[in-house]
Amino acid sequence: SYELTQPPSVSVSPGQTARITCSGDALPKQYAYWYQQKPGQAPVLVIYKDSERPSGIPERFSGSSSGTTVTLTISGVQAEDEADYYCQSADSSGTFVFGTGTKVTVL
Amino acid sequence: QLQLQESGPGLVKPSETLSLTCAVSGGSVTSPSYYWGWIRQPPGKGLEWIGNIYYSGGTYYNPSLKSRLTISVDTSKNQFSLKLNSVTAADTAVYYCVRPAVDRSGSCWFDPWGQGTLVTVSS
Repeated sequence: SYELTQPPSVSVSPGQTARITCSGDALPKQYAYWYQQKPGQAPVLVIYKDSERPSGIPERFSGSSSGTTVTLTISGVQAEDEADYYCQSADSSGTFVFGTGTKVTVL
Repeated sequence: QLQLQESGPGLVKPSETLSLTCAVSGGSVTSPSYYWGWIRQPPGKGLEWIGNIYYSGGTYYNPSLKSRLTISVDTSKNQFSLKLNSVTAADTAVYYCVRPAVDRSGSCWFDPWGQGTLVTVSS
């Protein structure tokens, strides 16, 4: 089955930049989406169509795509950004798939 | 603002059917712009897409669950439902109802999400 691979964890100091990658063979042909999930809460969409930001999401969240890898960048990380982050896309058959998840720790 | 709220039993016995309902407020399940869907998350693990349904009844299921799964829409109650039969402990998870946003190219993302409900499969 199709897999989207993320690093298990990323650690960053407040004010620094966190970058979370997501790799998958179909990403050159499919958009990627990113969700933030805080403990005990439902996920929240933070990036759609690789790099678009929904209304209400801070500008410090941005997305980019290059080949088989997409990246979520959090610039000027704040303590409130500590959470799990998941990428999401689709395989060639139209099955929707989530990445393995990355825990962002703010030091 | 669209809001989703899951409801249903928190405990289901192995081999029985898991049934959940999602109440929709701030919008109509019959809106031609909307799909409706379910996603689950086993405790301490990642997210798994279960399936989507279009307001007219067209369904799109995760192949890994398709043989056990039924998603339906109840327009009279403005809600949609999930039924998963022959459950095992592996089906223990937080179940989220979601609104899939689907564009003309078929790209799909999920926003908003319900708060989620934990379903435990145990005797």
